Amino acid sequence: DQQVKQNSPSLSVQEGRISILNCDYTNSMFDYFLWYKKYPAEGPTFLISISSIKDKNEDGRFTVFLNKSAKHLSLHIVPSQPGDSAVYFCAASEGSQGNLIFGKGTKLSVKP
Amino acid sequence: DGGITQSPKYLFRKEGQNVTLSCEQNLNHDAMYWYRQDPGQGLRLIYYSQIVNDFQKGDIAEGYSVSREKKESFPLTVTSAQKNPTAFYLCASSIGQYGTDTQYFGPGTRLTVL
Repeated sequence: DQQVKQNSPSLSVQEGRISILNCDYTNSMFDYFLWYKKYPAEGPTFLISISSIKDKNEDGRFTVFLNKSAKHLSLHIVPSQPGDSAVYFCAASEGSQGNLIFGKGTKLSVKP
Repeated sequence: DGGITQSPKYLFRKEGQNVTLSCEQNLNHDAMYWYRQDPGQGLRLIYYSQIVNDFQKGDIAEGYSVSREKKESFPLTVTSAQKNPTAFYLCASSIGQYGTDTQYFGPGTRLTVL
């Protein structure tokens, strides 16, 4: 049973517009959430994270929003750039456990 | 400069052979992890190690083995018991074992078993 779900396998956005990637989770014990970006044949790179004590974290063009009651988080990229085209993975962890549970990823395509 | 290295980038083996994937980090991280990625799938945890000479099974440990004799190194052996070994293997490390310790990934090794 998937504990972290990314229900959209792909997303296409025009350059300059906002990209919104969504992630849902089922385990209410998760208290730390991360987004990773991955290019083909490369390792994921860390983008941004959020603790469950916050509902928003911002870093440049990237903002992550957390809605604990809905067990939902989203990554906003504004403005989107062609270099943002990649697969984005949502991941979650629980308390003192270091292990991350990953979603299946969403492939973002930003068209010029 | 600091980072995680995995070698080789591409690896081919015949069915029935064991193969060892290398992972080295010079970040002075205590925790290290091995993941497997299959097409259209997220990353699944194979093994992890929170400290030297100690490691635990992840979600899909069957057919794999690891060792952690040095802090910097966490090699993964894919044995002949692994039913479907062809995949992209990713190694990661984090400064500590806690969920808030960000994991940093190596470039990955693509293993193809012929």
